[in-house]
Amino acid sequence: GQQLNQSPQSMFIQEGEDVSMNCTSSSIFNTWLWYKQDPGEGPVLLIALYKAGELTSNGRLTAQFGITRKDSFLNISASIPSDVGIYFCAGRSNDYKLSFGAGTTVTVRA
Amino acid sequence: NAGVMQNPRHLVRRRGQEARLRCSPMKGHSHVYWYRQLPEEGLKFMVYLQKENIIDESGMPKERFSAEFPKEGPSILRIQQVVRGDSAAYFCASSPPGTGPNGYTFGSGTRLTVV
Repeated sequence: GQQLNQSPQSMFIQEGEDVSMNCTSSSIFNTWLWYKQDPGEGPVLLIALYKAGELTSNGRLTAQFGITRKDSFLNISASIPSDVGIYFCAGRSNDYKLSFGAGTTVTVRA
Repeated sequence: NAGVMQNPRHLVRRRGQEARLRCSPMKGHSHVYWYRQLPEEGLKFMVYLQKENIIDESGMPKERFSAEFPKEGPSILRIQQVVRGDSAAYFCASSPPGTGPNGYTFGSGTRLTVV
């Protein structure tokens, strides 16, 4: 399957700070998705991106689909304690399959 | 994750035993996908099923692993003669026809520990 490199692997942030993480791929994707996984739970979709160059927001979250179609980033503004969790990028490989990055673990210091 | 039910949530098996993981998709979803998550890694695709059909099992190990989605009842992922390397979280997702991954809803997973 396709290799997705997600960075950073982990981050400690102060409440109120902005957070940024990104994902790069050796392959082109037609769709990029960002998920959040809480401990002991499955991933929950945060944002879906369908078009190169697209910038999409969902509350305090903003994500962009890179022009080359090989990268995407996610920003979280004004972080709060409930932003703790693992964030995954995923690229849509075909009509039904996703390739996931290894995740960015976010820990917020109150 | 409401709607996609996976059980058990936690499963402990000794080496050589069989593990059976169940997934009931959301109402109205006829497509089921299984993914495996090793510790500190992302999810890896295993298999895609529709009712009574395996569409793509390219991510599933060739031996000891099998999956089914019968006409009635949940989808089952079966691992025979488990080994320590099978320890992982197994997630099921379902989607309505025609949406693909954009319409995925994931379950809460089954955490398999092989001792």
